[in-house]
Amino acid sequence: SAVISQKPSRDICQRGTSLTIQCQVDSQVTMMFWYRQQPGQSLTLIATANQGSEATYESGFVIDKFPISRPNLTFSTLTVSNMSPEDSSIYLCSVAGPQGTDTQYFGPGTRLTVL
Amino acid sequence: TQLLEQSPQFLSIQEGENLTVYCNSSSVFSSLQWYRQEPGEGPVLLVTVVTGGEVKKLKRLTFQFGDARKDSSLHITAAQPGDTGLYLCAGDGGTDKLIFGTGTRLQVFP
Repeated sequence: SAVISQKPSRDICQRGTSLTIQCQVDSQVTMMFWYRQQPGQSLTLIATANQGSEATYESGFVIDKFPISRPNLTFSTLTVSNMSPEDSSIYLCSVAGPQGTDTQYFGPGTRLTVL
Repeated sequence: TQLLEQSPQFLSIQEGENLTVYCNSSSVFSSLQWYRQEPGEGPVLLVTVVTGGEVKKLKRLTFQFGDARKDSSLHITAAQPGDTGLYLCAGDGGTDKLIFGTGTRLQVFP
């Protein structure tokens, strides 16, 4: 299984500012995913990030609010822009498991609090 | 839109009790997975079920995939405090995407 790290692990930010979250994988992967987990809730997919192409966003999420970079096969960033308290969540990145398994491996998450 | 509803939403039990968590959908899935998430960590895969009617066992955990591949259950025998966490079912949403269930938060007291 892939080992995934995220930075920062947590942060407290002021409204109106932006935060960039980093996701590093210990092996090369084609697809990376970014999720949001609001307090006490399940995971919601924000976007899928493939290396060398624009990220694909899910309904309700837009690039201006959540720009994503995918500069190589082991790294991705998610920026939460112009933050408001409603953006307070855990943000998780993941990578696809072995082909044909439909499984994913997750990073430990970034806990964001917006004041 | 594919939705996965889990029940119960919360479960608080004593050590040694048995419990069952349900994951239901009106859609057919080619596979379903179960994950457990502990505080401060990402979800960790427990099992994948792919065949209708399939039953898989992982120590004290028994997973079943419905015959029609629209639902799944997780049964824990003799729960222990280490089983505490958020249990999530997830189905394939196409293009390697996962659709997560609404989650079941389990608390096992010693």
